[in-house]
Amino acid sequence: ILNVEQSPQSLHVQEGDSTNFTCSFPSSNFYALHWYRWETAKSPEALFVMTLNGDEKKKGRISATLNTKEGYSYLYIKGSQPEDSATYLCAFLIKAAGNKLTFGGGTRVLVKP
Amino acid sequence: EPEVTQTPSHQVTQMGQEVILRCVPISNHLYFYWYRQILGQKVEFLVSFYNNEISEKSEIFDDQFSVERPDGSNFTLKIRSTKLEDSAMYFCASSGQGPSYEQYFGPGTRLTVT
Repeated sequence: ILNVEQSPQSLHVQEGDSTNFTCSFPSSNFYALHWYRWETAKSPEALFVMTLNGDEKKKGRISATLNTKEGYSYLYIKGSQPEDSATYLCAFLIKAAGNKLTFGGGTRVLVKP
Repeated sequence: EPEVTQTPSHQVTQMGQEVILRCVPISNHLYFYWYRQILGQKVEFLVSFYNNEISEKSEIFDDQFSVERPDGSNFTLKIRSTKLEDSAMYFCASSGQGPSYEQYFGPGTRLTVT
C-alpha cells in the first residue's frame, strides 16, 4: 500500500512570517510529485509538478523542493499573506499506473492578520 | 482560462438509487479522471480514462461504478445502486499527454446518500 504523508496537519502562521511543511512518499518507483493548493468550495489548483531529484520550483512567494532518494518534498511560503490560507495537498505518481495520483492528507494553513 | 466544470454541485439520493455525475473536462485534454474524498479522509483515486477506455482503476471502482465519454465533451461517472458509504465529494480531473502534466480538477460534486 502506497503511503503519502504530510506534516503538520495544520499550521497557524502570522501574516508576514515564512513557513514550510513536508510531504513524504515512497522513494521507489517514483515518477512525479504534484502539489496542489485547495481553498474551501473551490477546485484544487495545481501548483507544481516535480519530476527530478533536486528540483526546485517557484511560483510567486511559494516554492518547493524535491528529494526523491530520501522520499520527501518541502513546500515553502515566504512572507505569508491571508490569501495563502488554504489546504496544501501533495500527490505521488507512479509511472505506468494510469497517471493515478495518491494523495497525502494535506496541510491546512491559516494565515492570521 | 479553461477550466473543468462539474454538475450538479450537490446531489442527494436515496440508498439503492442510480446517480450520474457529470463533468466537462478541458477541451484539448486526453486523460480524464475521477477522484473522491470521504469527509475527514484523504482524496482517493477511482479511475482514469484514456482513448475511450479505462486505463487504471482502484479497488473501490467495482461493478457498481462505470464511466463514459458519451459525446466527446462530457465525462460521466455512474453509480448503479448507491450505498451510504458512497457519500463523498467526487472530483473530476483532466490532463494533457503524459504523467508529468498537471491534472486540472473541477470544483466537485457533493453526493449525499440517505
